[in-house]
Amino acid sequence: GDSVTQMEGPVTLSEEAFLTINCTYTATGYPSLFWYVQYPGEGLQLLLKATKADDKGSNKGFEATYRKETTSFHLEKGSVQVSDSAVYFCAPNNNNDMRFGAGTRLTVKP
Amino acid sequence: NAGVTQTPKFQVLKTGQSMTLQCAQDMNHEYMSWYRQDPGMGLRLIHYSVGAGITDQGEVPNGYNVSRSTTEDFPLRLLSAAPSQTSVYFCASSYLPGLAHEQYFGPGTRLTVT
Repeated sequence: GDSVTQMEGPVTLSEEAFLTINCTYTATGYPSLFWYVQYPGEGLQLLLKATKADDKGSNKGFEATYRKETTSFHLEKGSVQVSDSAVYFCAPNNNNDMRFGAGTRLTVKP
Repeated sequence: NAGVTQTPKFQVLKTGQSMTLQCAQDMNHEYMSWYRQDPGMGLRLIHYSVGAGITDQGEVPNGYNVSRSTTEDFPLRLLSAAPSQTSVYFCASSYLPGLAHEQYFGPGTRLTVT
């Protein structure tokens, strides 16, 4: 079945550092790809998405590009802020069964 | 819109007890789902529904039942609680099942089974 492998955390960065969180997936067909973010004590919310190969999703300074050849959807941000501290989940969606990565906890220190 | 609501927020059960976690959405979404979140394991899909009267199993359905009698509500029933069901439970909904639509999540229910 479909699966997703996400970079293990926790990740600790200083403010204004560059962020990369790796995500690779296995799936049949052409899934849509999502990154969700979970702030402390809350449910998940959509951060960005891409629905076809070479699409770039972006939001709040975060970006991720749908790489079909490497089945990857790595999350990047050029300059993180303290407010970006959260848990990030990669999620390919190929049908009604949306699978999530294990999550990567990011802590940004001032 | 209230979005996706879940009750209760916290619950403690003894082994063998039963209970129902409530989930409701006011966005007229066809698709609803239940996940459990455990440390280091991300979210795992328990059950989902693509519309009223239709439900299906996800990755970890054992020990849980669901029904979907209305578009708005999607309760999750624990028939006989076990310590392994200690977890945080999230309900989610989306406009349509399938590929391009984001899911909207409720705030979660933290369940402890002793």
